[in-house]
Amino acid sequence: DAKTTQPTSMDCAEGRAANLPCNHSTISGNEYVYWYRQIHSQGPQYIIHGLKNNETNEMASLIITEDRKSSTLILPHATLRDTAVYYCIVRGTGTASKLTFGTGTRLQVTL
Amino acid sequence: SQTIHQWPATLVQPVGSPLSLECTVEGTSNPNLYWYRQAAGRGLQLLFYSVGIGQISSEVPQNLSASRPQDRQFILSSKKLLLSDSGFYLCAWSVQRDPPVLLHFGNGTRLTVT
Repeated sequence: DAKTTQPTSMDCAEGRAANLPCNHSTISGNEYVYWYRQIHSQGPQYIIHGLKNNETNEMASLIITEDRKSSTLILPHATLRDTAVYYCIVRGTGTASKLTFGTGTRLQVTL
Repeated sequence: SQTIHQWPATLVQPVGSPLSLECTVEGTSNPNLYWYRQAAGRGLQLLFYSVGIGQISSEVPQNLSASRPQDRQFILSSKKLLLSDSGFYLCAWSVQRDPPVLLHFGNGTRLTVT
């Protein structure tokens, strides 16, 4: 599985867009990019995933560069409830469908 | 709809005591099941996963074990707890389809070994 690199922490003002970057320069052609987040003392929550194209759902947008070596998760209007650790994971096909979580980016949304 | 139940929510156990954490999933059949652990201030570590009844794969050597006696039941056990077993234990499930891998997590058990 490709390794990902994320900043340790980021701050964002409430109401502004939060842009969380992720580098995955060793990603291979069949590997998806997944984003999860973990609010303090809770289980991680799935946000979005993508393979090649940009994706958008009710929670966020995922922008994947053309060479697929990096991606950005965008929370269009961050709220205090978006304060959490955000994990970027790259995973391809496999018999076990395992996901390996790194240390993620701690996003602090402030007033 | 699918739900995942994990209990207890918190647990304090002395060193050397046994452990049994249970996880059950409702509303789906033949899921993949997972146990993760998160030490304080650390990322999530995959401990075990299962693709079917009686089929358990271990990711890291440790004094923990897992069992899947029923399709939607996953149990994490230890015969003798160590101080290093303290942490936040999370059970998760995903459909038997790959890809994409969409994990659904329980609310976790916070274990303190004293």
